[in-house]
Amino acid sequence: DAKTTQPPSMDCAEGRAANLPCNHSTISGNEYVYWYRQIHSQGPQYIIHGLKNNETNEMASLIITEDRKSSTLILPHATLRDTAVYYCIVRSRIKAAGNKLTFGGGTRVLVKP
Amino acid sequence: KAGVTQTPRYLIKTRGQQVTLSCSPISGHRSVSWYQQTPGQGLQFLFEYFSETQRNKGNFPGRFSGRQFSNSRSEMNVSTLELGDSALYLCASSLEGGAHNSPLHFGNGTRLTVT
Repeated sequence: DAKTTQPPSMDCAEGRAANLPCNHSTISGNEYVYWYRQIHSQGPQYIIHGLKNNETNEMASLIITEDRKSSTLILPHATLRDTAVYYCIVRSRIKAAGNKLTFGGGTRVLVKP
Repeated sequence: KAGVTQTPRYLIKTRGQQVTLSCSPISGHRSVSWYQQTPGQGLQFLFEYFSETQRNKGNFPGRFSGRQFSNSRSEMNVSTLELGDSALYLCASSLEGGAHNSPLHFGNGTRLTVT
């Protein structure tokens, strides 16, 4: 699986949008971009995923560049409960690849009042 | 719909003992994966089971093993426990593996402490 690079940490003001970048320059055409977050002492929580088009759900928006080498997760109105470690992962769409995900260090996001 | 359930939530064992952790996937999910999370190594893939067969395996010693039952529930076993096995063990389930419409959903883990 392709590797991802994320900034180790970032702060965000409550109520403002949080933009989390991720580089995945070696991503292949058979790989999706997935985002998870992990709040202390809990398991990772699925946020969103995409292949090449921008995606939006009730939690966040995912913007993927045209060359697919990077993406940005947008939390539109950050709250204190969004404080967590955010992981960007590339995941194969091939069924045989299964669920062997490679997690990097993620971005530790601190939302401040 | 109930999420992924892992039991027990906390466990304390002594070096040399063995331990069995349990995972109940989301109803209808057939793939169950196990991950180990430590402060030093982060989240690392242990193995994955799909339809009672191990489909993928990470780089862990043979002391780590698992199985999946016909109802998709899974157990993992660690024998001859070492201090370094202290970690949060996470179970995740999905409908299938590698499918674009099948996100992985994680439980809240079992915190294992080896003394």
